[in-house]
Amino acid sequence: EVQLVESGGGLVQPGGSLRLSCAASGFTFNTYSMNWVRQAPGKGLEWVSYISSSSSAIYYADSVKGRFTISRDNAKNSLYLQMNSLRAEDTAVYYCAEGGFGELPYWGQGTLVTVSS
Amino acid sequence: DIQMTQSPSSLSASVGDRVTITCRASQGISNYLAWFQQKPGKAPKSLIYAASSLQSGVPSKFSGSGSGTDFTLTITSLQPEDFATYYCQQYNSYPLTFGGGTKVEIK
Repeated sequence: EVQLVESGGGLVQPGGSLRLSCAASGFTFNTYSMNWVRQAPGKGLEWVSYISSSSSAIYYADSVKGRFTISRDNAKNSLYLQMNSLRAEDTAVYYCAEGGFGELPYWGQGTLVTVSS
Repeated sequence: DIQMTQSPSSLSASVGDRVTITCRASQGISNYLAWFQQKPGKAPKSLIYAASSLQSGVPSKFSGSGSGTDFTLTITSLQPEDFATYYCQQYNSYPLTFGGGTKVEIK
């Protein structure tokens, strides 16, 4: 059974940093691309970032480019999102999602990031 | 970026009803379209990929159709557990983009 478990969310002040983690199990992690998707309170879904299985290809949404960094450790079956220069509009539940061919078949339960002073 | 437009944004339906949700892409995306169901406080759940293929374990009451720019999700015989928000998503190209969602409520 595919399992994705996010962690690392919390309350952070504007301008601060946070590192999210996603622990994967139940599938051959090093052969699948991964994504981060977020959802602001009461709003719709917004794709954030993509990383290929070997980390050779990485993409970001314009809204986070230059501030967020996606990475993965295939030896640890883990995905990460380093978030710097956080803004109030980054407040959201952050989900990691297995990439499939882009159709995102599996999602974690999400971790809440709140950016507020 | 490819814009995805869903309609309606919300609808009220009764148990047993058949409902249809539409999704339009701002440019052709072939059949690279997925549908998700999301219940309050839960992660989205994948229902359909490649516009019309059912994910494993998803009941056949859900069906999808379309290609190019126009797509539909149909739910037959609506049950209490089907009341949720539904999203379409294109994966023809990055950035991946989602529709604004359709909230299906009980009439």
